[in-house]
Amino acid sequence: GAGVSQSPSNKVTEKGKDVELRCDPISGHTALYWYRQRLGQGLEFLIYFQGNSAPDKSGLPSDRFSAERTGESVSTLTIQRTQQEDSAVYLCASSLVWAGETQYFGPGTRLLVL
Amino acid sequence: DQQVKQNSPSLSVQEGRISILNCDYTNSMFDYFLWYKKYPAEGPTFLISISSIKDKNEDGRFTVFLNKSAKHLSLHIVPSQPGDSAVYFCAATRTTGGGNKLTFGTGTQLKVEL
Repeated sequence: GAGVSQSPSNKVTEKGKDVELRCDPISGHTALYWYRQRLGQGLEFLIYFQGNSAPDKSGLPSDRFSAERTGESVSTLTIQRTQQEDSAVYLCASSLVWAGETQYFGPGTRLLVL
Repeated sequence: DQQVKQNSPSLSVQEGRISILNCDYTNSMFDYFLWYKKYPAEGPTFLISISSIKDKNEDGRFTVFLNKSAKHLSLHIVPSQPGDSAVYFCAATRTTGGGNKLTFGTGTQLKVEL
């Protein structure tokens, strides 16, 4: 497809379990971002990948959160030992180079931690 | 610490009239501002942006105004159409030293009524 895709679209898990979320960026986009939106809040930046540079992890809320990206392809966001406050929509975006207006967002993964 | 604020969670406007969505920010280092539109179950899509060197940017029915001294920006939609009904997010970033991440407001739900 032409856009950013994310999987799964919905995930329900039990507290304490690990989850892995996947993002397929637009082909050729060097920059990839993860955001999350908790209920009633705006989007929070989590992590940013740009090419082969070290990722900007400044938004990750705790060491239970980690993300990987191999080259300029797929990225996975892993949440270990999930907590109820991790429930949110996790959004991935990609862009050619940084230019705010050309961050293309995927539809998100809705995570519910019971 | 909410650095980008959208104080109106919702706005209702009649079709054909003007919609004005407001956004305030506190970080004086922000120098680039964007508006995104979001439909349910979809990722945000870029609408319009403005650099801090300008006070106005127009694109069709959409105009963004920036008042740097007041740290305030607004999005005007004229004329409003039913298809404009969505959640609108204001976002801001620093183009240098900002880590290429967007800081979002909490969103305003716009409803355009017939």
